[in-house]
Amino acid sequence: DAGVIQSPRHEVTEMGQEVTLRCKPISGHDYLFWYRQTMMRGLELLIYFNNNVPIDDSGMPEDRFSAKMPNASFSTLKIQPSEPRDSAVYFCASKHTNTGELFFGEGSRLTVL
Amino acid sequence: QKEVEQNSGPLSVPEGAIASLNCTYSDRGSQSFFWYRQYSGKSPELIMFIYSNGDKEDGRFTAQLNKASQYVSLLIRDSQPSDSATYLCALSSNTGNQFYFGTGTSLTVIP
Repeated sequence: DAGVIQSPRHEVTEMGQEVTLRCKPISGHDYLFWYRQTMMRGLELLIYFNNNVPIDDSGMPEDRFSAKMPNASFSTLKIQPSEPRDSAVYFCASKHTNTGELFFGEGSRLTVL
Repeated sequence: QKEVEQNSGPLSVPEGAIASLNCTYSDRGSQSFFWYRQYSGKSPELIMFIYSNGDKEDGRFTAQLNKASQYVSLLIRDSQPSDSATYLCALSSNTGNQFYFGTGTSLTVIP
């Protein structure tokens, strides 16, 4: 199994630019989660999907953030416009209904200048 | 976000010693608890989970849960330098579908 695949691994952009992060969950997993990790706040749950449907987006910090899951094998997290305080590592994770274990991708390190 | 509190450390122990990592949580409805290990620059990986009060052992690792005190801990026996990492405590919501993490405790095992 290839695991959870995220892209890009690193992104450096300027304030005001649009950023799109991508995630391919493990095949057969019906839950997908987006987390943001910073030193100060740790791992924050942004949004999660079940069977491609967004269930809880209360962790999304602002309207500048949006996430989609058009099918079972692909999700995006978009930030528009980006700001320096959005700099963080963004993790995608997936799991199967019958298990409690989250499988994380390698993360996308975002730097907004 | 559910509150999950951990001492950020850093915690240093000599090789071969027992490392004790602690976590408290605020939501009494939380049902399941997890310990993840995260090496620097890497993603978190699951070490153990525990659902019931008491102790659960897996090799050199023991998880302890006390729901009355809202406290969960991880003991690492015979600590090795390869155990040096950040340890994240996590809990799931009462639906079991949302996972909330503490900020992590940094552990260094000194050879």
